[in-house]
Amino acid sequence: QIQLQQSGPGLVKPSQTLSLTCAISGDNISDYDVAWNWIRQSPSRGPEWLGKTRYRSGWRTDYATSVKSRITINADTSKNQFSLQLTSVTPDDTAVYYCARDFRYRFDYWGQGVLVTVSS
Amino acid sequence: DIVMTQSPDSLAVSLGEGATINCRSSQSVFHSSANGYNLHWYQQKRGQPPKVLISWASTRESGVPDRFSGSGSGTNFTLTISDLQAEDVAVYYCQQYYSLPITFGQGTRLEIK
Repeated sequence: QIQLQQSGPGLVKPSQTLSLTCAISGDNISDYDVAWNWIRQSPSRGPEWLGKTRYRSGWRTDYATSVKSRITINADTSKNQFSLQLTSVTPDDTAVYYCARDFRYRFDYWGQGVLVTVSS
Repeated sequence: DIVMTQSPDSLAVSLGEGATINCRSSQSVFHSSANGYNLHWYQQKRGQPPKVLISWASTRESGVPDRFSGSGSGTNFTLTISDLQAEDVAVYYCQQYYSLPITFGQGTRLEIK
């Protein structure tokens, strides 16, 4: 049974860095057929894809243009987990953040979600 | 970016009746190497992450009731729910992965009339 367990603070001050981790169980982060994604969802809005990482003879990442200058997604193979860092946050970054696995181009496993509020 | 537009934004349907949700992509999402449309449908219940129901426009995921079906071609796709049950109350999203960035529709809220 594949599970994704998210962790990280629920409150971040403006201009600081949002950091979340997604621990994977039941799957290997280095599997060739999958990618590991971060997605966020503001209240009453559709999900917004932020970026992904996957192993293809080396780690590769893709980021959404809207956050490309502020986002880093890293894989930690020793802990079988991946992380999200989003710098210089503003209240517009307040959202529920999800990690998710994609296999064959659809998101088949999701983390439980973490509400991150950006406020002083 | 490929824009996904759903209609309607919300609908209310009586128990046992059918519901139809539409999704239009701003350009084709036909994935030639897979010979299919890279279009997927999700159900999101309150307080939960989205759950994939239909992948590649018409393939029902394992464990999804056959009351749920997907169809469509070109840039127009439909999620159909027949024999509506109380547990179907949710927001439904379409999503494309034909090209980056991956994009979702704005969602359709389904309620019981």
